[in-house]
Amino acid sequence: EPEVTQTPSHQVTQMGQEVILRCVPISNHLYFYWYRQILGQKVEFLVSFYNNEISEKSEIFDDQFSVERPDGSNFTLKIRSTKLEDSAMYFCASRNTANYGYTFGSGTRLTVV
Amino acid sequence: QKEVEQDPGPLSVPEGAIVSLNCTYSNSAFQYFMWYRQYSRKGPELLMYTYSSGNKEDGRFTAQVDKSSKYISLFIRDSQPSDSATYLCAILSGGSNYKLTFGKGTLLTVNP
Repeated sequence: EPEVTQTPSHQVTQMGQEVILRCVPISNHLYFYWYRQILGQKVEFLVSFYNNEISEKSEIFDDQFSVERPDGSNFTLKIRSTKLEDSAMYFCASRNTANYGYTFGSGTRLTVV
Repeated sequence: QKEVEQDPGPLSVPEGAIVSLNCTYSNSAFQYFMWYRQYSRKGPELLMYTYSSGNKEDGRFTAQVDKSSKYISLFIRDSQPSDSATYLCAILSGGSNYKLTFGKGTLLTVNP
């Protein structure tokens, strides 16, 4: 069964450093998403991406965040200057036009120290 | 008012029990109602989704939606230890982006 692949599975970074979280969505999917889950809290929407541009972003997704689809397969989330409160699980997801159900990756656990 | 409310549990049941998981939502614009299962340190995995009020069955799982009271449920029959996980309700809003709004999740343990 096709999977969404995320790397790394765990990243530790110092406050103020830049991080890039990587995702390979399912190949025939056209819609891409990032969500995050702070420990003990809900899974929250960050951003949706379609046709090589952001289609919607949440209040969390401020100027410190950016997304990119640098080639035909990868989808990245960059946090420019990490804060302690950015520590969370970050999930990438994708879906195609025919299916409303997303496929999520296993997540990247980001720890900012 | 919070958009999606879900009792976080935890819920512990014996093997073979019928499990009932519930969520309420506030936004009438929500269109699709989904249940995800999440194992520890894994991403959410879609179990099933439904659009209209009523029941939808898939094997041991039944999703129920009551749009008039903004209430959704997931029933698990003949629960198994492998069903032990966190169950997340999620509501999909329409438009082109189909953004998901999640409940907090209910941690379920099925004891052998």
